[in-house]
Parts: sequence; structure tokens; C-alpha cells
Amino acid sequence: KAGVTQTPRYLIKTRGQQVTLSCSPISGHRSVSWYQQTPGQGLQFLFEYFSETQRNKGNFPGRFSGRQFSNSRSEMNVSTLELGDSALYLCASSLPEVRGLQETQYFGPGTRLLVL
Amino acid sequence: GENVEQHPSTLSVQEGDSAVIKCTYSDSASNYFPWYKQELGKRPQLIIDIRSNVGEKKDQRIAVTLNKTAKHFSLHITETQPEDSAVYFCAASKGAGGSYIPTFGRGTSLIVHP
Repeated sequence: KAGVTQTPRYLIKTRGQQVTLSCSPISGHRSVSWYQQTPGQGLQFLFEYFSETQRNKGNFPGRFSGRQFSNSRSEMNVSTLELGDSALYLCASSLPEVRGLQETQYFGPGTRLLVL
Repeated sequence: GENVEQHPSTLSVQEGDSAVIKCTYSDSASNYFPWYKQELGKRPQLIIDIRSNVGEKKDQRIAVTLNKTAKHFSLHITETQPEDSAVYFCAASKGAGGSYIPTFGRGTSLIVHP
């Protein structure tokens, strides 16, 4: 089975611009989560999508948004980019719920965003 | 919200020694505790996890223990090898119905000297 894929892998933007990142989960996985990883703040949860609905949200401003399509692919968007948004953005997918338990998450390679 | 503290931030051991990384969490509702290994330039990978109804879990050289009363959990790696060198993250999550809201520790850089 192909793993989680993310595009693009690298991105350079300037302050004030917006960016859209894409994540394709493992086939059959319906839950997609997004994370931001920085040296200063570590790994932080952004949001989780399941069946095209945002199920959970972390503590990030409204400039960070996302969506999920019917094929479970997900995109996240960051508007009005700030220098502090420079980070590695990771997505992870997991299987459908089994007995209501959290399932193993499989991470993609990440998109490294640099904001100048 | 949940707060996860992870110690130490750096751990240096000789090949064959054991390594222990500890995490504490603040929210007693957290019920799922995964550990991830992230090698330089690579994606995090789950190495072991434990749920709140279990006190200990082992997988070959790796084990995790959970003390719900004290709200701490630990990763134990025995007979360390140079390929164990990586950053290890703990996480605490809560949720129901398969929902997953994780809070991560800041990571431990494990260096295994040959």
C-alpha cells in the first residue's frame, strides 16, 4: 500500500501571501490530521478531519483552515502568512474507527514552508 | 488544556545500555499515549503506544509503562543500538469515538554511541 503523500515538499512564500498544502492518506484511511512542527514550539496539533468534517481543532488562529474531500484527501490553507508560520507541516492518516478507539497514525513526509 | 512535559531533552548512552525517557501529563481525561521516533529529516513513526486501561506494554526491546495515578508514562529501550539514535516524542491524547486530540512532549534527542 502506498504511504501518506504530501505535496508540495518544499515551498517558499512571502509575508501576506496564502498557501495551500495537500495530503493524500493511505487508501482506506478516513481520518486525516495536520500538525505543525517547529524547533521552538515542537509538534503541535492543528486539526483533524473525518468524513469531510472537521472533528477536532487545535489552538491555532483562524488563518489556518482545512478541508477534506470525499476521497479523504485533505488540504490545509494558511492565509496572510507570517514569518512565524515557517515550519514543517505534517499530515497523518488513520483507519476508520474501531470500537471507538484511537487508531495508529501514519505520517506523511511533510511540507517544509519557508516564509520570507 | 493538556500539558505534556518530557525529560530529558537529550540522552546520551553507550551501545548496549538502556535508555529511559519520561513524560508527565496534566489532564486525567487523557486515555491514549503513543510514542514516536523521528530520525533526522524523516517523518515521525509510531514505535509503541499504550491505552489507559493498561499499565505496561512491551515490544521486543521497547516497553512503555503508564502510571495513571501519578499521570506519567515512560519509554524504556533496552540493549540500545546506534540505529536507535533519533528524536523521540511522547504524546497524550483524549477523545471518544475514535477522535484524537494529541498534545506532544518537546522531544528527547537520543544519541547511542557505538
